[in-house]
Amino acid sequence: AQSVTQLGSHVSVSEGALVLLRCNYSSSVPPYLFWYVQYPNQGLQLLLKYTSAATLVKGINGFEAEFKKSETSFHLTKPSAHMSDAAEYFCALAGGYEEADGLTFGKGTHLIIQP
Amino acid sequence: DGGITQSPKYLFRKEGQNVTLSCEQNLNHDAMYWYRQDPGQGLRLIYYSQIVNDFQKGDIAEGYSVSREKKESFPLTVTSAQKNPTAFYLCASTRFGTGIGYTFGSGTRLTVV
Repeated sequence: AQSVTQLGSHVSVSEGALVLLRCNYSSSVPPYLFWYVQYPNQGLQLLLKYTSAATLVKGINGFEAEFKKSETSFHLTKPSAHMSDAAEYFCALAGGYEEADGLTFGKGTHLIIQP
Repeated sequence: DGGITQSPKYLFRKEGQNVTLSCEQNLNHDAMYWYRQDPGQGLRLIYYSQIVNDFQKGDIAEGYSVSREKKESFPLTVTSAQKNPTAFYLCASTRFGTGIGYTFGSGTRLTVV
């Protein structure tokens, strides 16, 4: 069975500070990993994805994530937070390079940006 | 522009009623999915379909039904057997073997009144 754990249901940072959202995964096969963002009452938008190429993945809106197999982690970072980054963030996993059977999602982290 | 359209955006259901949520995509994606989202629970898979006229149960299929008569359409029916249907429902689609992840619709918020 595969699983995704997001550490911290809420993360609060000051505007301009580093954003770090943590994601750990468990998978018996090499994974595809994704980060999605959700604004209130909207669908999910893909931020970035890891698909076994470069371990450091750059996404939209200045976000990036690093795949660390030894730590089974895929943490999301952004050097400088902006007020518009306030949203819910989800880490997701597809096992075995195949997402056809459904992504497994973490429970989400609500990012709060303080002025 | 291609995308996924979910309708309606808000839906109210009386006790004992069946309701159907619509999901249409014009991305020529192979697979389609229904997820349920509850606060603090993340997204949980209800049903998915990889090809027309075929679908599989996800983790929480009880009280729900689906059909896939056309590649573009994957409606979800919330039946009276679903005891706690109030939630945010998200439809998604993807193309096999590309690693592109899922494209999501904007969701339907269902409330039991």
